[in-house]
This record gives sequence, C-alpha cells and structure tokens, in this order.
Amino acid sequence: QLQLQESGPGLVKPSETLSLTCTVSGASLSCNTCYWGWIRQPPGMGLEWIGHIYQSGRTYYNPSLSSRVAVSLDTSKNQFSLKLTSVAAADTAVYYCARVVILGAIRDYYYMDVWGNGTTVTVSS
Amino acid sequence: DIQMTQSPSSLSASVGDRLTITCRASQTIRNYLNWYQQKPGKAPKLLIYAASSLQTGVPSRFSGGGSGTDFTLTVSSLQPEDFATYYCQQSYNTPFTFGPGTKVDI
Repeated sequence: QLQLQESGPGLVKPSETLSLTCTVSGASLSCNTCYWGWIRQPPGMGLEWIGHIYQSGRTYYNPSLSSRVAVSLDTSKNQFSLKLTSVAAADTAVYYCARVVILGAIRDYYYMDVWGNGTTVTVSS
Repeated sequence: DIQMTQSPSSLSASVGDRLTITCRASQTIRNYLNWYQQKPGKAPKLLIYAASSLQTGVPSRFSGGGSGTDFTLTVSSLQPEDFATYYCQQSYNTPFTFGPGTKVDI
C-alpha cells in the first residue's frame, strides 16, 4: 500500500530556506505514470499547488514560486524533497506531498490520488 | 493562470439530503477537473477525476459532471461522514489551480 510521509523542521526563520522531505513507501519513485508533487495550505485557507517532479528529474513549478522553489529526487532513498528559499510569514502553511497520477489520453489527465498527512511549517523569528 | 470558483462557499445540510456543488473555470478546461474532500486536520482525499470518473473506493453516492467551464459534484444522499470541505482542481494547464472550497456542515 502506497504511503507518503513528510518530514522537516516545523519552524523556519524569515529569509531562511525551508527544506522538507517526503518518504515514499509501497511504490518506487521510478514510476512511468506518475509525478511526485508538493501542495500547501495556509492556515484556514485553500490549497496551492507548488510543483512536481518526474522520475527523469524534469520539474514543473508554480510560476508564483518558481524563483524560490526546487524539487528534487533521491531514488536511492525513495524520497523527494522541497526547498523554498527566502521564506516569509506568507509561507506559513501545512505542506503536503502527493503522488500525481498521469492518466494517458490524447492529452494526459493528472490527479493527486495519494497524499501524505501533511507537516506544519511556521515562519517566525 | 486558470481561475477556479465554487458555489456556494458554504452550506448547511442534513443527513439524507441531495447536495450539488458547482465549480467554474475561467476558461475551458474540457474535462480536466478533479474533486477532493478534506476533513479538518486531514489531507485532501481524491473523489472524482476527469470530471466524472469515480476514484476507487469512493462511495457511489458521489458523482461528477460537466465539461468546458462548468462542473458539478453531487452527493445523492448525504451521510454523516460527508460533512467536510470540497475542492475542485483543474489539471488542464500548469499551474494546477484549486477552487476556494465549499464547506458542508450540519
């Protein structure tokens, strides 16, 4: 059974770098029909897609964050990671990792079918 | 970016009610629309993908419809465990974008 688990510091100082890891169990990151993604949710607010990565290392980022974000894979550990630089209070959120399924069609469908439990990150001095 | 809106933003309902939530995209997204359910303190759960395909394990009282810019999520008979917030999400283009959510409570 596929499970994802986020880990990382719960408190980050303003202007520093947020670093989170998602550990995948029950499936390999070397998946031809999926991406591995990050989504966040500020307190009391809605969901924001951050970005995702394919097994090849190809990444897709939200343009609103692209200058500060990087997603990477560590296939030896079956983990993928998120780095967000120069954080501010607005980056305080619950961060989720998720599998993004690619359903082949003339134009591929994408949907997030398995999510981690989420990890709360607070940006504060 | 494609903007997603939902209506209503919240509603009160009773067990056994039929519920319909509407999602609208700012441009056509064909049927590249997913629905998620989120309960307090929990991760979102996929209900519907490709506008009308029921995710494995999701009860058949949930159904999705629509194409182009207008979509619906229907719950045929609300159960106590269905009280939650529901989000639509487009996957037609990146950045993937979510609607603001519809909170369903008693």
